Amino acid sequence: DSGVTQTPKHLITATGQRVTLRCSPRSGDLSVYWYQQSLDQGLQFLIQYYNGEERAKGNILERFSAQQFPDLHSELNLSSLELGDSALYFCASSEWSGLSTDTQYFGPGTRLTVL
Amino acid sequence: ELKVEQNPLFLSMQEGKNYTIYCNYSTTSDRLYWYRQDPGKSLESLFVLLSNGAVKQEGRLMASLDTKARLSTLHITAAVHDLSATYFCAVGGAQKLVFGQGTRLTINP
Repeated sequence: DSGVTQTPKHLITATGQRVTLRCSPRSGDLSVYWYQQSLDQGLQFLIQYYNGEERAKGNILERFSAQQFPDLHSELNLSSLELGDSALYFCASSEWSGLSTDTQYFGPGTRLTVL
Repeated sequence: ELKVEQNPLFLSMQEGKNYTIYCNYSTTSDRLYWYRQDPGKSLESLFVLLSNGAVKQEGRLMASLDTKARLSTLHITAAVHDLSATYFCAVGGAQKLVFGQGTRLTINP
């Protein structure tokens, strides 16, 4: 158990809908990362937040957005869902000293199925 | 743009044998990670390699890093069935991690 929690574990929804994925980082970690894992794209970095502020952006679609709250939990919002958004979404956390990339600890993931 | 490539992508081997997974990356980085993923599960951190020539070992797994060649290896010694999983290398750059495609390792009795 990495100490990173994610809810829900599974989510089944229809095209065009909007969902919110939630992540709580390890105690003491200020940085949260979101990744998408799919069969065709592999593991792709979406976005990073550090202490409430967006710090790095990857291949995140405009239909997707995220935020990190004052208690450091993070939410990833996916809207206007398409079949191709079906994937495993991981949250990771790290201390992130700002000087280098610390080890990222991954949560159990949320499996999103869009029908 | 940083690219990370692993090979082989699939590896089926017998218990007791040795094998090596290779991870090449395209731009300079002094920090490389190896993760393990069981089917349908999360990623578990195995090793962090911080500098050229770094070598780390845990049980039957040993990882090394050659930053000049931009190459890391994950060596499996005397494989056992419990090591069956997908192994990813990842390179740190500008806060994010860039992952290789993963190597699906199957160890047969």
